[in-house]
Amino acid sequence: DQQVKQNSPSLSVQEGRISILNCDYTNSMFDYFLWYKKYPAEGPTFLISISSIKDKNEDGRFTVFLNKSAKHLSLHIVPSQPGDSAVYFCAAKSSGNTGKLIFGQGTTLQVKP
Amino acid sequence: DTAVSQTPKYLVTQMGNDKSIKCEQNLGHDTMYWYKQDSKKFLKIMFSYNNKELIINETVPNRFSPKSPDKAHLNLHINSLELGDSAVYFCASSRRTGRETQYFGPGTRLLVL
Repeated sequence: DQQVKQNSPSLSVQEGRISILNCDYTNSMFDYFLWYKKYPAEGPTFLISISSIKDKNEDGRFTVFLNKSAKHLSLHIVPSQPGDSAVYFCAAKSSGNTGKLIFGQGTTLQVKP
Repeated sequence: DTAVSQTPKYLVTQMGNDKSIKCEQNLGHDTMYWYKQDSKKFLKIMFSYNNKELIINETVPNRFSPKSPDKAHLNLHINSLELGDSAVYFCASSRRTGRETQYFGPGTRLLVL
C-alpha cells in the first residue's frame, strides 16, 4: 500500500520554462511534506518542505503547494535550468516524533537547454 | 569533508554470505537512519536510532541487524544474503527526530548473485 505516489515517472521541459512535479498521498495523518532532489550515484538532498497548516512555501525558484482536501502537493520550479535535471522525490511525515519519512517513487526531470 | 559517508559504495556478493555496510556522520547529529531503495525506486525506511537507541524498526527480516556503537555511526549487518536484498542502501542523519532535515549518504549498491 503506497501512501505517497508520484504518478509521472518522468517530465521533460525546456530551459526557462516552468516545471511542475506532482505528488498525491492517502494518509490524512501526514502533517509535513518534503521534496528531495537526487542526482545519479548520490544520495537525496533536501530541497523544500511545507507544513500541513500552510498551503504554499517558496524558496527562490522553488515553490511547493499543498492542497489538503485533495491530498495533493506539487513542486514548481521557475525558471527551470539544465542543472535541475535530477530525480525528485516527494516525502511525507506523520505526526509523532520519530522522523519517519514515507517517500514516493520519484519523478525524473529533464531540463533541455 | 563528507557529511554522511558510507562504505563500501559497491558490494557484490554471493547468496548466503554475511556482509556489513558502515555509515558515519560528522554533523554532530543525534539521529541516524537506514533506507532501502528497491528496483522500483521506492525509498523505504528500515531503521532509525536516536542517541544510540532504536526508535524505528520497520517490517524488515531479522537477517538485517543495525548497530550503533556511538551517535556518529550506524552500521547495517545482513546475514544470509538473498537475491531480493539487492538494492541501494542509504544512510541518513538528522539533528534530532521530528521535522529535522535528513541528510543522506551517497548510498551503497548491493548486488547479490
